Amino acid sequence: KQEVTQIPAALSVPEGENLVLNCSFTDSAIYNLQWFRQDPGKGLTSLLLIQSSQREQTSGRLNASLDKSSGRSTLYIAASQPGDSATYLCAVNTGNQFYFGTGTSLTVIP
Amino acid sequence: KAGVTQTPRYLIKTRGQQVTLSCSPISGHRSVSWYQQTPGQGLQFLFEYFSETQRNKGNFPGRFSGRQFSNSRSEMNVSTLELGDSALYLCASSFRTGGSGELFFGEGSRLTVL
Repeated sequence: KQEVTQIPAALSVPEGENLVLNCSFTDSAIYNLQWFRQDPGKGLTSLLLIQSSQREQTSGRLNASLDKSSGRSTLYIAASQPGDSATYLCAVNTGNQFYFGTGTSLTVIP
Repeated sequence: KAGVTQTPRYLIKTRGQQVTLSCSPISGHRSVSWYQQTPGQGLQFLFEYFSETQRNKGNFPGRFSGRQFSNSRSEMNVSTLELGDSALYLCASSFRTGGSGELFFGEGSRLTVL
């Protein structure tokens, strides 16, 4: 069974700092990997989807990378803003279903 | 383009009752999957429906069931509610089945069991 781990569980940074969130998975046979953000009490908002054949994807200040062989993905957030405060989850797709990490709770301090 | 719509957003039930939650996917999406989210267990996969057929099922008891209609709208039902069923229930739609496509989530239905 695929297991997904996100470290750290919580992160607090001052506004303007660049930061990296980590996601690791146990089985490299994945179809794709998706990053989401979740605001308190809300649903998940899709940020980036990386196909297994891709190494990275970019959207605005966000850049996600994927290294299937080592079972790792990172989400890079440039010039963080208070509005980036949320929980960030990665989800690994085995082709049958998505397996979710428990998330990294990010707080950006003004 | 309208997103994924879940109803009701909030509901309170008592132990032993049953509940039905509804999910309308993004137009054109034929896959609907359901997840339970709790602080202790995180997001756990319940089941996925594609073209009215259950394609995959997570490790939940038979009290949790679902169905999908010809217009791709889906419902999930939980019978004989237990306190531990209190959670945020999230629905996600996708163009493709088996999780092979990008997932888009609704706002969730917050269930409290007293």
